[in-house]
Amino acid sequence: TQLLEQSPQFLSIQEGENLTVYCNSSSVFSSLQWYRQEPGEGPVLLVTVVTGGEVKKLKRLTFQFGDARKDSSLHITAAQPGDTGLYLCAGAPIGTYKYIFGTGTRLKVLA
Amino acid sequence: SAVISQKPSRDICQRGTSLTIQCQVDSQVTMMFWYRQQPGQSLTLIATANQGSEATYESGFVIDKFPISRPNLTFSTLTVSNMSPEDSSIYLCSVGQGGNEKLFFGSGTQLSVL
Repeated sequence: TQLLEQSPQFLSIQEGENLTVYCNSSSVFSSLQWYRQEPGEGPVLLVTVVTGGEVKKLKRLTFQFGDARKDSSLHITAAQPGDTGLYLCAGAPIGTYKYIFGTGTRLKVLA
Repeated sequence: SAVISQKPSRDICQRGTSLTIQCQVDSQVTMMFWYRQQPGQSLTLIATANQGSEATYESGFVIDKFPISRPNLTFSTLTVSNMSPEDSSIYLCSVGQGGNEKLFFGSGTQLSVL
């Protein structure tokens, strides 16, 4: 059973545009992570959000953890072709140590 | 951070054969995780490998099909047995750090079964 739903599934935008990716669940997580995966590589951790309502910024990327710790969002400002990749949210539901991954958002930024 | 070496990086195999994937970590870790990523999809946890005990498998995955070894704290193998074309996927090993709040991945094994 997939517990982390991401939207949109696919996104193709022009360089310079802004975008937001959503990660939603009915379960509560102690923390959520965001990863980016490029072809031929494993996912690479971008950020971990821990506290409900927390906002973290990583250059042009802004991550938010929902107040109830059931959802998260990733906002990219002025997207660049280098942002192209598969974005995955992930977390271990409270009471478990096993990470599950979201359904994924495949982003393509056109020059 | 942890550096994970996974091999082979890719292989093309015949139906009915088996392939063993190796995962080497540059530091000692308690738990290692094996994931499968089917074409165009996200990651699905196959099993958790603890040193000194049998691996714990997720629903839909069984030991006879995906036997796992964990001989020490830096190494694990995953075998894909009696392969069929449906097993064509990327297989990834992973370790957790910081109370498992950070996962580090190998570069994956791209498996194609003919």
